[in-house]
Amino acid sequence: QKEVEQDPGPLSVPEGAIVSLNCTYSNSAFQYFMWYRQYSRKGPELLMYTYSSGNKEDGRFTAQVDKSSKYISLFIRDSQPSDSATYLCAKGTGGSYIPTFGRGTSLIVHP
Amino acid sequence: EPEVTQTPSHQVTQMGQEVILRCVPISNHLYFYWYRQILGQKVEFLVSFYNNEISEKSEIFDDQFSVERPDGSNFTLKIRSTKLEDSAMYFCASSEEGRPTQTYEQYFGPGTRLTVT
Repeated sequence: QKEVEQDPGPLSVPEGAIVSLNCTYSNSAFQYFMWYRQYSRKGPELLMYTYSSGNKEDGRFTAQVDKSSKYISLFIRDSQPSDSATYLCAKGTGGSYIPTFGRGTSLIVHP
Repeated sequence: EPEVTQTPSHQVTQMGQEVILRCVPISNHLYFYWYRQILGQKVEFLVSFYNNEISEKSEIFDDQFSVERPDGSNFTLKIRSTKLEDSAMYFCASSEEGRPTQTYEQYFGPGTRLTVT
């Protein structure tokens, strides 16, 4: 059973839209979740991490974890063309600091 | 802003040849990692390195792979006898801490694209 699943997209939205990116996970032996952004021909860049259920906000980005349904979301408000990238969700356990990545969702924000 | 650098950006090699991928982690970081990403697939962990030894490795990291910190700045990944399926983007990363903390973050380099023909 695959541990972290994402719809690869692409997801295309107009500038200014609210974007919702989602991820599901299968293994409950976790302690934290992360969202990475990966621009073309670049390495992943950590956007947000969270240890618990509920919402965590950072500027235009909100990460949401629902442990009961094993669902992770990233919301982007007022999306910009510069947000166009692949967004990777990842999870980790307390026993290992190595993230397990999803395949990523490609986001395109057009002007 | 400090960043992880990797060389070369693209390496083409023939099957069976040895390759060495190079990384310069951020200078005050203590933990180093290699990941790979086959085109269209997930980023996969290969190995982590701390205090001059491997601290964790995945099933992918078999005897064909080795890592080394030959001096105070470089961190290398060697593939002894490359196979076609080794073609991928290889990312190096480094972090100050190895365990998740409030400031935990792995910084990734831009990657080396390895093409095995």
